[in-house]
Amino acid sequence: EVQLVESGGGLVKPGGSLRLSCSASGFSFSHYNMNWVRQAPGKGLEWVASISSSRDYIYYADSLRGRFTISRDDSEESLHLQMTSLRVEDTAVYYCASGGGYGVYWGRGALVTVSS
Amino acid sequence: EIVMTQSPATLSVSPGERATLSCRASQNIGSNLAWYQQKPGQAPRLLIFGASTRATPIPARFSGSGSGTEFTLTISSLQSEDFAVYYCQQYNNWPPYTFGQGTKLEI
Repeated sequence: EVQLVESGGGLVKPGGSLRLSCSASGFSFSHYNMNWVRQAPGKGLEWVASISSSRDYIYYADSLRGRFTISRDDSEESLHLQMTSLRVEDTAVYYCASGGGYGVYWGRGALVTVSS
Repeated sequence: EIVMTQSPATLSVSPGERATLSCRASQNIGSNLAWYQQKPGQAPRLLIFGASTRATPIPARFSGSGSGTEFTLTISSLQSEDFAVYYCQQYNNWPPYTFGQGTKLEI
């Protein structure tokens, strides 16, 4: 069974940092491009970042302006998102999703709340 | 950036009826379009990719059509479990991948 499980969410003050992780199982993680997608409370889906299976491309949403870093560890079958200089508007559920182009498998999400 | 526009924002239908959801792209995206279903408190679920190919194991009552800039998701006979929010997403010109704002399907 395919599973993606996010962890590392929580409450953080504006300007703070947080590192999200996504643990994968049940599929050949190293062969898949991976993505982070977020959803603010009551809002729609917003693509955040993508990393290819071979790491030859990494892309971010322009709105992140270099504050977020996506990485992967194929030996651990895990995906990470390092978030710095967090803002109130970064408050959202963050999903990891596998696949190039569209999300084939999705995790249940990790809630990040940025508030003073 | 390609803007995806879904209509209507909310669609009220009855179980057993047919539902037609629309998605429009601001530029030609070929057939590089996916549809997702999201229920409250759950992750999105992939329904359709390539504009018309059903993901596994999506029931045959879900069908996608269109190409270029106009796309449609049709649910032929609504079941109670189909009431949810539906999103379209383009993956032709990226980054960024872009989503529509969603259509809420309600009873």
